[in-house]
Amino acid sequence: SQQGEEDPQALSIQEGENATMNCSYKTSINNLQWYRQNSGRGLVHLILIRSNEREKHSGRLRVTLDTSKKSSSLLITASRAADTASYFCATGPYTGANSKLTFGKGITLSVRP
Amino acid sequence: ETGVTQSPTHLIKTRGQQVTLRCSSQSGHNTVSWYQQALGQGPQFIFQYYREEENGRGNFPPRFSGLQFPNYSSELNVNALELDDSALYLCASSLDRGRPDTQYFGPGTRLTVL
Repeated sequence: SQQGEEDPQALSIQEGENATMNCSYKTSINNLQWYRQNSGRGLVHLILIRSNEREKHSGRLRVTLDTSKKSSSLLITASRAADTASYFCATGPYTGANSKLTFGKGITLSVRP
Repeated sequence: ETGVTQSPTHLIKTRGQQVTLRCSSQSGHNTVSWYQQALGQGPQFIFQYYREEENGRGNFPPRFSGLQFPNYSSELNVNALELDDSALYLCASSLDRGRPDTQYFGPGTRLTVL
């Protein structure tokens, strides 16, 4: 079953604009991670945020986590055509170190040149 | 590049056959997880191996089995293939240091069952 649900399902923006993607989940988590996938190939890890953190930055990426609302958002600033991909949020359970990640269905981001 | 490799890249099998997929973990990683990704869906957890022992399993039947070797490489075996087994199979390696950490994914094996 899917734990995370991303919103919107698809997003189309112009190069240079910001892209905001949201993820909601159902059960308590230890961490939440965002991944990117190009053309149905392997997943590329973008950022991990732990349940005791509220915001993290990595380059053009900004992730927030609100455990009271069971939601997270990923902001990509100054988007580029190369950012075109599918984006997934994945949650790690409250107990266990490297236990399973539960993924949402993903968001398809298209960045128009 | 994550340093995680998978073979083969593509595979075509017929219903009822058996298949073995292989994964080579990133150097220094002691944990490998396998995921199944159907078209248009997110990856679904199959199982995880930590130091050669199964360390958690998702909602997959026993005909999905795995191995982890002393060098931490891994195999996923699927018996009695069904049409619904057609998917992208992803392995991910990580280092268990007693706290959750990043899982690094390989490029995947695309399995088609006819």
